[in-house]
Amino acid sequence: GENVEQHPSTLSVQEGDSAVIKCTYSDSASNYFPWYKQELGKGPQLIIDIRSNVGEKKDQRIAVTLNKTAKHFSLHITETQPEDSAVYFCAASIKKNSGGYQKVTFGIGTKLQVIP
Amino acid sequence: DTEVTQTPKHLVMGMTNKKSLKCEQHMGHRAMYWYKQKAKKPPELMFVYSYEKLSINESVPSRFSPECPNSSLLNLHLHALQPEDSALYLCASSQPRDRGYEQYFGPGTRLTVT
Repeated sequence: GENVEQHPSTLSVQEGDSAVIKCTYSDSASNYFPWYKQELGKGPQLIIDIRSNVGEKKDQRIAVTLNKTAKHFSLHITETQPEDSAVYFCAASIKKNSGGYQKVTFGIGTKLQVIP
Repeated sequence: DTEVTQTPKHLVMGMTNKKSLKCEQHMGHRAMYWYKQKAKKPPELMFVYSYEKLSINESVPSRFSPECPNSSLLNLHLHALQPEDSALYLCASSQPRDRGYEQYFGPGTRLTVT
């Protein structure tokens, strides 16, 4: 099955600096890569995603890049703010199932702390 | 509206109790999921319902019993749980794969088994 590795497990940055979280996946059939932000006491929130026919996607201060050849994808947060502090999970999913659902494999998570 | 609601927010139960967790979405999604999340770990898939039929059971113990009464509702019935079952239980929903990929999570139910 799919295996997703994520690093670093913890990341501290000064407010205003950039943060980068990297993930690798094992199954070349994976074609959908969402990123989730989970704040303390809350459920994961989808913040951005990318599909395998796209190399980069940006939404304001957040961007995600995908290198299919290397099976790498990364989350970039620019101009970090204290409210960006949370746990971030990368994930990978394969479209090939025909059951009308997505089986998502998560990375272990990165705890991001933005220091004011 | 991309909201998945879950009730209750917190639940404390003894090992001999029977309780149920409830999840609801009104986005027209036809796939619904139960996940279990332990502290400092990623969500772990338990069950998937697609078009109100159980599609995946990730070898979950029978003390957890899912139910999907209709396309908007998902329940998780709990019976004779163990203290190690204490965790955050998350519900999620998604559209069929040919209509989109996004999976949306609810806020979770924090379960404590005493």
